[in-house]
Amino acid sequence: DQQVKQNSPSLSVQEGRISILNCDYTNSMFDYFLWYKKYPAEGPTFLISISSIKDKNEDGRFTVFLNKSAKHLSLHIVPSQPGDSAVYFCAVTQGGRFGNEKLTFGTGTRLTIIP
Amino acid sequence: NAGVTQTPKFRILKIGQSMTLQCTQDMNHNYMYWYRQDPGMGLKLIYYSVGAGITDKGEVPNGYNVSRSTTEDFPLRLELAAPSQTSVYFCASSPTAREKSEAFFGQGTRLTVV
Repeated sequence: DQQVKQNSPSLSVQEGRISILNCDYTNSMFDYFLWYKKYPAEGPTFLISISSIKDKNEDGRFTVFLNKSAKHLSLHIVPSQPGDSAVYFCAVTQGGRFGNEKLTFGTGTRLTIIP
Repeated sequence: NAGVTQTPKFRILKIGQSMTLQCTQDMNHNYMYWYRQDPGMGLKLIYYSVGAGITDKGEVPNGYNVSRSTTEDFPLRLELAAPSQTSVYFCASSPTAREKSEAFFGQGTRLTVV
């Protein structure tokens, strides 16, 4: 029972264009959302996050949008660069007995930027 | 600045053997996690810990055990290795819940069970 879905396993985008990665979740109790980037043979690294009290967060070329009513999260990268080629995971979390304890990850989208 | 360190980086085990994957962090984070990533799949949570002496199961805990005797260390134990445990294992840590901050990952341990 996948609580976090990234329905596109792969995406190819021309360099300079916008990359849009999508993520859907099922549990309305999730209140914090993150994007991670992963290169081969490395651990994931944090990219950007958003709290459920916001609908947009921007950091340089990266913007995350949150649509709580649709339970949908997206990451926009503009302009896309060759170094953005990686696997992107969305992750969600919610408050628990000890606070913010579990990060649940999606299955990932492999982004390839075409020069 | 070491961050999260995992050892070993690679290991081949025979069916039925046991081993411990080591994980240590030097950031004084309370929260630590173990994930596995199977080929073409996302990360699945095996176990996590919210502080020394406190651990809990994640999505896929069967076949694994953990302990958290110190803030720094969170070893993962495989008692009877099975081919289904062939995977890449990632350890991660994060600060206290109130800060809602991101998790920092180690570089991973690639385990093959034959």
